[in-house]
Amino acid sequence: EDQVTQSPEALRLQEGESSSLNCSYTVSGLRGLFWYRQDPGKGPEFLFTLYSAGEEKEKERLKATLTKKESFLHITAPKPEDSATYLCAVGSSGNTPLVFGKGTRLSVIA
Amino acid sequence: EAGVTQFPSHSVIEKGQTVTLRCDPISGHDNLYWYRRVMGKEIKFLLHFVKESKQDESGMPNNRFLAERTGGTYSTLKVQPAELEDSGVYFCASSSETGPPYEQYFGPGTRLTVT
Repeated sequence: EDQVTQSPEALRLQEGESSSLNCSYTVSGLRGLFWYRQDPGKGPEFLFTLYSAGEEKEKERLKATLTKKESFLHITAPKPEDSATYLCAVGSSGNTPLVFGKGTRLSVIA
Repeated sequence: EAGVTQFPSHSVIEKGQTVTLRCDPISGHDNLYWYRRVMGKEIKFLLHFVKESKQDESGMPNNRFLAERTGGTYSTLKVQPAELEDSGVYFCASSSETGPPYEQYFGPGTRLTVT
């Protein structure tokens, strides 16, 4: 059974204090690992897709990396507007359903 | 391009009543998914449509849940009769058959409270 575990559950950072969120996964055959951002009362907002180990993608202050067992979401010099819950999900084939982790709740304090 | 929309945004019903949730996917997206997040748990898959056909309904909790997708456009999810454990946030997502694989775009969700 595909499984995703995210850590930490919650993270509190000072503005400008860089850190990383972890997503560990077990999947029968990884076809894609996805990062989403979710703000309170809203649906998940797509950030990145990573397809193979060694792949990296960047968007503004966020950088996602992928190994065969885990993915990291690096946040460089975060700002208060980066506060949100970050969700990791895996897809095992085609357009099959995603399996989500519980998310990491990030708070960035000015 | 309009995103995925869901209606209503909130619904409060009593145990035993019926509720119907609606999802309008991104125009042209053949794949439509329903997910649910129960408090304290992760988002979990309910079912998957390709056009008007149910591709996978392995996540549907029981036969009190009925999903339809009329003409391959919008979808409805009916819960009848509702139970307390059905409370949660119901998300709809859609993806393109021909675009980048697996990029699912989510709606804002419907928060269902069963009292």
